Amino acid sequence: DTGVSQDPRHKITKRGQNVTFRCDPISEHNRLYWYRQTLGQGPEFLTYFQNEAQLEKSRLLSDRFSAERPKGSFSTLEIQRTEQGDSAMYLCASSLAEGAQEQFFGPGTRLTVL
Amino acid sequence: AQSVSQHNHHVILSEAASLELGCNYSYGGTVNLFWYVQYPGQHLQLLLKYFSGDPLVKGIKGFEAEFIKSKFSFNLRKPSVQWSDTAEYFCAVNAKDTGRRALTFGSGTRLQVQP
Repeated sequence: DTGVSQDPRHKITKRGQNVTFRCDPISEHNRLYWYRQTLGQGPEFLTYFQNEAQLEKSRLLSDRFSAERPKGSFSTLEIQRTEQGDSAMYLCASSLAEGAQEQFFGPGTRLTVL
Repeated sequence: AQSVSQHNHHVILSEAASLELGCNYSYGGTVNLFWYVQYPGQHLQLLLKYFSGDPLVKGIKGFEAEFIKSKFSFNLRKPSVQWSDTAEYFCAVNAKDTGRRALTFGSGTRLQVQP
């Protein structure tokens, strides 16, 4: 499968713990996006990278959230001191920077904070 | 900032019925418009997109959408739905003039097609 992959698919954690998610984009895509989706809502933008540079962060991304894309390939999203309100589906998408720029989405990581 | 409204939250149709899902966006500049679909247990997939040119765009599986700039709308249509079209449909927009490519999504419409 050469699509966007995310790991893990599900994560259950206790409030206050740190969690880290990984996204592997489509190999030739230089843009990578993180979104969050809660029940009954559409995805909300969190942040995006072009290669290794983080170009934009949403106001939704509190100080407890950090994202990296160290070599311009895979990306990690870390949430520190998780809260129950962080429970959501975290989606990753990738695209080319030029041309059609269609975003291709991964299956998501479902986070449950107890 | 952009916003997207999808007024139909849940639609139930019988097979062979015609479908139209509403999408309105709010943004003063030029936009790219998208419809994504999420089938049960699957990830978001692009159904169709509008970047420029003919405002009537055709996507996969017989879907089409029409961009009406004066109404800030991008409604999704299909003349005859099938049971396999049961899914959640999301309209999305990004701003073409700023170069910002982050998508702003609507809240989605859950379509249930009864056999």
